[in-house]
Amino acid sequence: QSALTQPASVSGSPGQSITFSCTGTSSDVGIYNFVSWYQHHPGKAPKLMIYEVTKRPSGVSNRFSGSKSGSTASLTISGLQAEDEADYYCCSYAGHSTYVFGTGTEVTVV
Amino acid sequence: EVQLVESGGGLVQPGESLKLSCAASGFTFHDYVMHWVRQAPGKGLEWVSGISSNSDTINYADSLKGRFTISRDNAKKSLYLQMNNLRPEDTAFYYCVKDIGGVGWVLWNWGQGTLVTVSS
Repeated sequence: QSALTQPASVSGSPGQSITFSCTGTSSDVGIYNFVSWYQHHPGKAPKLMIYEVTKRPSGVSNRFSGSKSGSTASLTISGLQAEDEADYYCCSYAGHSTYVFGTGTEVTVV
Repeated sequence: EVQLVESGGGLVQPGESLKLSCAASGFTFHDYVMHWVRQAPGKGLEWVSGISSNSDTINYADSLKGRFTISRDNAKKSLYLQMNNLRPEDTAFYYCVKDIGGVGWVLWNWGQGTLVTVSS
């Protein structure tokens, strides 16, 4: 149950697109298409942004998109906005009703 | 509307125990897998434990080493986490989470969390 690897921080200017990765193993990201992404402001409930690699829950902006190749998933935020500043965590199903989270990426809009 | 309301957090000393509760409403509780997820100060999210709808499948993060016990009472629409022999590193916000249900695996709905502080 080792944490998935994410870059610690990513920054971009308003209107830009950013993409950051989430690297797992053949026991989690590599074998399951149950990768989710959460936007989190500390002390608040995480918000589901992407699930099952590419799907967006109702109400989530289409500026957010997900993809996966092998054991690496990615989140892209297009048309970056100040409100997108937050911590982002990937999460993968890891079998036997368990999950593993990524190390988290702090997104800054500069 | 799905609501998950955690309670039971607080300040305890190392070695003590604490039991968290989560009151669920707005969905058919007994149909869903439920989980606890935590976040320590300055750290990332960590999946703690999950329990199947009828409690026949229970799993824990390896790091807990048997100190935590998850349970549920479907009649009371409640989820619990019994935490024993607490350590300072267990200090965290603890979130109650509902799975998506069906054939998928997604941590779909989250409570607001309850803070557990372990300190002497």
